Amino acid sequence: AQSVTQLDSHVSVSEGTPVLLRCNYSSSYSPSLFWYVQHPNKGLQLLLKYTSAATLVKGINGFEAEFKKSETSFHLTKPSAHMSDAAEYFCVVSDGGGLDTGRRALTFGSGTRLQVQP
Amino acid sequence: DVKVTQSSRYLVKRTGEKVFLECVQDMDHENMFWYRQDPGLGLRLIYFSYDVKMKEKGDIPEGYSVSREKKERFSLILESASTNQTSMYLCASSLRTGSRNTGELFFGEGSRLTVL
Repeated sequence: AQSVTQLDSHVSVSEGTPVLLRCNYSSSYSPSLFWYVQHPNKGLQLLLKYTSAATLVKGINGFEAEFKKSETSFHLTKPSAHMSDAAEYFCVVSDGGGLDTGRRALTFGSGTRLQVQP
Repeated sequence: DVKVTQSSRYLVKRTGEKVFLECVQDMDHENMFWYRQDPGLGLRLIYFSYDVKMKEKGDIPEGYSVSREKKERFSLILESASTNQTSMYLCASSLRTGSRNTGELFFGEGSRLTVL
């Protein structure tokens, strides 16, 4: 079984300050982990993914995330927020399981809404 | 460019009506998914399909059915719509690479359904 917890439903930052969106996961296997972003009235777009290569993953728009197995965390960060970063962010886990995981689906966190103040 | 197209962005239906939500992808992906999105609940999987005519129930399949007659098309059906099915519905697809689904999903822009 797998699960994911986004620790904050809302985060508000000022433009130009760092962003931290927190995510903890639970997985029976070596997980794949993802962050997706959703702008208002749009579908979800992949920001970055971790699939057992480097633990620090860089994504689009200056975002990055670090996989910490000992803490079961995959927090999303950005050094300097921009107004266009205001959106909802979803942390996602796929444990893959064993054989033929092509049919496996993903488990989504409940989302963190990021507000960026001018 | 990768594209997942949902046929209707906004629909308003009455209780008891039959509702079809269509999704088409042009990437030759094996896997297709239907999620519903509600405030505070994130995305919840309704059904997914890993091949033509194949389907598996997700976490909340009650009140829904699906159809996948062609690889590129995955339809969600509400046989008799109810007010608690008012929601945003998101279709997604992914490529089944080897024996491991890396999980990168490509999403449509969503269909917002209101049931009165």
